[in-house]
Amino acid sequence: DVKVTQSSRYLVKRTGEKVFLECVQDMDHENMFWYRQDPGLGLRLIYFSYDVKMKEKGDIPEGYSVSREKKERFSLILESASTNQTSMYLCASFNPPGEGQGKSGNTIYFGEGSWLTVV
Amino acid sequence: DQQVKQNSPSLSVQEGRISILNCDYTNSMFDYFLWYKKYPAEGPTFLISISSIKDKNEDGRFTVFLNKSAKHLSLHIVPSQPGDSAVYFCAASTDNAGNMLTFGGGTRLMVKP
Repeated sequence: DVKVTQSSRYLVKRTGEKVFLECVQDMDHENMFWYRQDPGLGLRLIYFSYDVKMKEKGDIPEGYSVSREKKERFSLILESASTNQTSMYLCASFNPPGEGQGKSGNTIYFGEGSWLTVV
Repeated sequence: DQQVKQNSPSLSVQEGRISILNCDYTNSMFDYFLWYKKYPAEGPTFLISISSIKDKNEDGRFTVFLNKSAKHLSLHIVPSQPGDSAVYFCAASTDNAGNMLTFGGGTRLMVKP
């Protein structure tokens, strides 16, 4: 069964602290993502990675960085946490379809989410 | 500016009736659309998708309709069950792999017994 694991489910951090959110997937997927979910705004893409040591900015990368040293692990880093980064963070992984495969089965698999409160 | 919008933040229906969740988009380059369902304290899970070459896709109680000219899609759940109560996210993609999703703000569906 597909598994995306976010090790920290609930965190409370102080303004200015450095925060690490870890995500591990066991499906050998190439692509991994970090989203944040806020009421009324849905899921917004922060960063994504399509290979080890590769990263691309999403829609809202400011205040965040990422690290992908191994294929199965994608970390989100808040260098100096601020109160406007209080949110639910969702990690996801995805494998592009192979040749001859249709799009109908494509799915992105999400972790259970990490609730971060910055005080 | 949100490219994918779900204008109804919440919807309440009676068990056994139809639930209709709506989604509008502005980017005409979107060619693949998905619906995700999310329970509290869990990550979203894939529900159903549709490619822009189709106008309807059905999977059991769930049907997604796509109206490209109106840039509108909807999810129908028939019959609705209390276990369907969740937040539903509409998502759209422009790339061929169905990657790089843009999500709507979500609609909270409550199905009353």
